[in-house]
Amino acid sequence: DGGITQSPKYLFRKEGQNVTLSCEQNLNHDAMYWYRQDPGQGLRLIYYSQIVNDFQKGDIAEGYSVSREKKESFPLTVTSAQKNPTAFYLCASSISDNTEAFFGQGTRLTVV
Amino acid sequence: GENVEQHPSTLSVQEGDSAVIKCTYSDSASNYFPWYKQELGKRPQLIIDIRSNVGEKKDQRIAVTLNKTAKHFSLHITETQPEDSAVYFCAARGSTLGRLYFGRGTQLTVWP
Repeated sequence: DGGITQSPKYLFRKEGQNVTLSCEQNLNHDAMYWYRQDPGQGLRLIYYSQIVNDFQKGDIAEGYSVSREKKESFPLTVTSAQKNPTAFYLCASSISDNTEAFFGQGTRLTVV
Repeated sequence: GENVEQHPSTLSVQEGDSAVIKCTYSDSASNYFPWYKQELGKRPQLIIDIRSNVGEKKDQRIAVTLNKTAKHFSLHITETQPEDSAVYFCAARGSTLGRLYFGRGTQLTVWP
């Protein structure tokens, strides 16, 4: 379904713990993105990567880290430095240039 | 960077009526404008997009118009149906390659 998979769908974390969200795509897309979605806030960009071994900070990168060691994978780590991590996280990918972004089904992270 | 404003934040219409959602953008270099539909708890999915060399595009009951001079674009849904109820996001691809900027979303409710 869409060729981009996020796991897990739901994730619970204790305060002070790091957690990694998985994003895998088999669309052979060069670009991948992580967005955070909060009610009434739209989609805010955390990090994006246009090519393997390269990534850039988005608008709300503080408290997050990423890696892009393989073209098909772009994991996001939510660190303990992120003050308000409870949110819905969406991963997306696109062919670089002027084309559609495809979204994964999202991971809902709750800090308990 | 780019700034995308979207209005209204909520919209209620009777089944069969038309719905219009409007967005403005700030970066005159933006050249790609997609619209996404997100049903509750699901991933955003592209419903229509338009590029800067086109003024209008239609796909069945959905149309998008773009006014580059005024830097605004709009989504028009005709003959609305209850299954059109969802959150709709507009976006603009700015001068930074591959980077989409999203509006805050419009919750559309279609009453039977």
